[in-house]
Amino acid sequence: GDSVTQMEGPVTLSEEAFLTINCTYTATGYPSLFWYVQYPGEGLQLLLKATKADDKGSNKGFEATYRKETTSFHLEKGSVQVSDSAVYFCALSDDAGTGNQFYFGTGTSLTVIP
Amino acid sequence: NAGVMQNPRHLVRRRGQEARLRCSPMKGHSHVYWYRQLPEEGLKFMVYLQKENIIDESGMPKERFSAEFPKEGPSILRIQQVVRGDSAAYFCASSLGTGIQYFGAGTRLSVL
Repeated sequence: GDSVTQMEGPVTLSEEAFLTINCTYTATGYPSLFWYVQYPGEGLQLLLKATKADDKGSNKGFEATYRKETTSFHLEKGSVQVSDSAVYFCALSDDAGTGNQFYFGTGTSLTVIP
Repeated sequence: NAGVMQNPRHLVRRRGQEARLRCSPMKGHSHVYWYRQLPEEGLKFMVYLQKENIIDESGMPKERFSAEFPKEGPSILRIQQVVRGDSAAYFCASSLGTGIQYFGAGTRLSVL
């Protein structure tokens, strides 16, 4: 079945450091891929998405490229800020079948220190 | 255009009581999903509903948990005879049926 494997945390970085959070997936069809972010005490917010191979999703300085050959969707940011401290979830949606079933990774907690 | 609304934000129950969690989807969305997030864990899918129909309840515990999405009104997740292990954050999401799921802020259930 479909699944998402996400880099385990927690991750602690200094401000302005480079961020990579790894995400790989298993899917039978042609899924869409997402990164969601959860700030403390809040719900999940969509950060970026990519719907087909080689698409690059980007938002707020974050980027992720849909790599079909390596079944990956790694999240990157060139220079993190304290305000980026949150939990990041990789997810896939397989639109085949009834409705859009979402599969989430376990989340990666990021703490950015000044 | 209001987002997904969940209430209450915080709910405290004693063991054995019932918990009712409400979710109003985004305007125009007829697909609702419930997830549970245990402390220090990721999101676990519980149930997927459309108006008046349960489409997939493969993530729901077999006992004490039920969900509905009536023709009128919000979706309800009901937990009967709560136990301490039910303490978690419960998130609702809605969608048009394909594409992005939009999440509410969650209901944090504490069982004393």
